Amino acid sequence: EAEVAQSPRYKITEKSQAVAFWCDPISGHATLYWYRQILGQGPELLVQFQDESVVDDSQLPKDRFSAERLKGVDSTLKIQPAELGDSAMYLCASTFGGAGANVLTFGAGSRLTVL
Amino acid sequence: GNSVTQMEGPVTLSEEAFLTINCTYTATGYPSLFWYVQYPGEGLQLLLKATKADDKGSNKGFEATYRKETTSFHLEKGSVQVSDSAVYFCALSNAGGTSYGKLTFGQGTILTVHP
Repeated sequence: EAEVAQSPRYKITEKSQAVAFWCDPISGHATLYWYRQILGQGPELLVQFQDESVVDDSQLPKDRFSAERLKGVDSTLKIQPAELGDSAMYLCASTFGGAGANVLTFGAGSRLTVL
Repeated sequence: GNSVTQMEGPVTLSEEAFLTINCTYTATGYPSLFWYVQYPGEGLQLLLKATKADDKGSNKGFEATYRKETTSFHLEKGSVQVSDSAVYFCALSNAGGTSYGKLTFGQGTILTVHP
């Protein structure tokens, strides 16, 4: 069964350091999402891509977070500098895209701990 | 804007007990509704969905009916198993527009089933 791949699974970093997460969606999935899940809460959308274009980054803290999907396939989410409040699970999801195609497949997530 | 409210948790049940997890929503238009499940250390998996009023989604013994008149999508299972222990998330998605597929999640309900 096809999966959304994410790495690293776990990352521990110190405050003010840079950190990056990588996501490889299911082959053929045009739409890719990054969600942040703080412990005890539901996931919240950070950024949505359609192919290589950003279609929604309204909740992305752009002073420290950046996301790219240069070739419309895999994607990288970067945080620089990391802050204590960034400790969370970062989830990547993908779907074929288009109207009605709204069943997302999630990866296992990247758990970030900022010390 | 869109929002999802789940019943306060956690929920602790004995094996073979009846399960209900309440979910209500606020949304414009006619959203699709979902239940996702998250097992320890894993990403989210789609459990079931419903795309229009009065639809019933079902999977693995779980059911939920889309009730537009009460804006609800309560999750039920007649006889839970220890293996059902997980976190359950109710979510909605509005079709159309550039942010199609974007999921808005509830806060999650932790279910623990004891033998």
